[in-house]
Amino acid sequence: QSVLTQPPSVSAAPGQKVTISCSGSSSNIGNNYVSWYQQLPGTAPKLLIYDNNKRPSGIPDRFSGSKSGTSATLGITGLQTGDEADYYCGTWDSSLSADVFGTGTKVTVL
Amino acid sequence: EVQLVESGGGLVQPGGSLRLSCTVSAFTFSSYWMHWVRQAPGKGLVWVSRINSDGSATTYADSVKGRFTISRDNAKNTVHLQMNSLRAEDTAVYYCASSYLSFDYWGQGTLVTVSS
Repeated sequence: QSVLTQPPSVSAAPGQKVTISCSGSSSNIGNNYVSWYQQLPGTAPKLLIYDNNKRPSGIPDRFSGSKSGTSATLGITGLQTGDEADYYCGTWDSSLSADVFGTGTKVTVL
Repeated sequence: EVQLVESGGGLVQPGGSLRLSCTVSAFTFSSYWMHWVRQAPGKGLVWVSRINSDGSATTYADSVKGRFTISRDNAKNTVHLQMNSLRAEDTAVYYCASSYLSFDYWGQGTLVTVSS
């Protein structure tokens, strides 16, 4: 149902790197800023990245964002057990006149 | 510390109504747009509605248009979501969120269950 597509899950060992893709279209990612959110189990989402690649105060530089065309990517380096969570991309969709979120990706630390 | 606290969730029968509230502290409420986002059990985030900083403009997802109404009281640092004609598919945790950079701060959520 979501207009932004993410892989259902990604995994890696502690200390390794994972990347999460977010695929959209010209009406959303292609012409608007992308944000990323982390949702730890049983908690509310938390802003990780805004304006494609900016980190709010307090977010470690292990988290990074990028955008190219109609896709965006979240990278997490130096993976920790505390990073196990669901991650969502989000942006504005000009055709829908609505904010939209991605389908979500579960990160597992092996 | 910024806090957003939702209230008003609960069990309601199909066709019924519920009014959610979100009270904000520790930032200049009247400067921020406010949103409601919901999450059905085991599912992803879905944006529901937003209201601009002075309450003069509102936007809704198609799935709730005509049934839900967002409003705010800047004197009381509170945003509301009036939900009418509720359906089973409206069952979810409802989060309020403020936006300046993006969806910057989120409340802890309030559960709405629509069931007979």
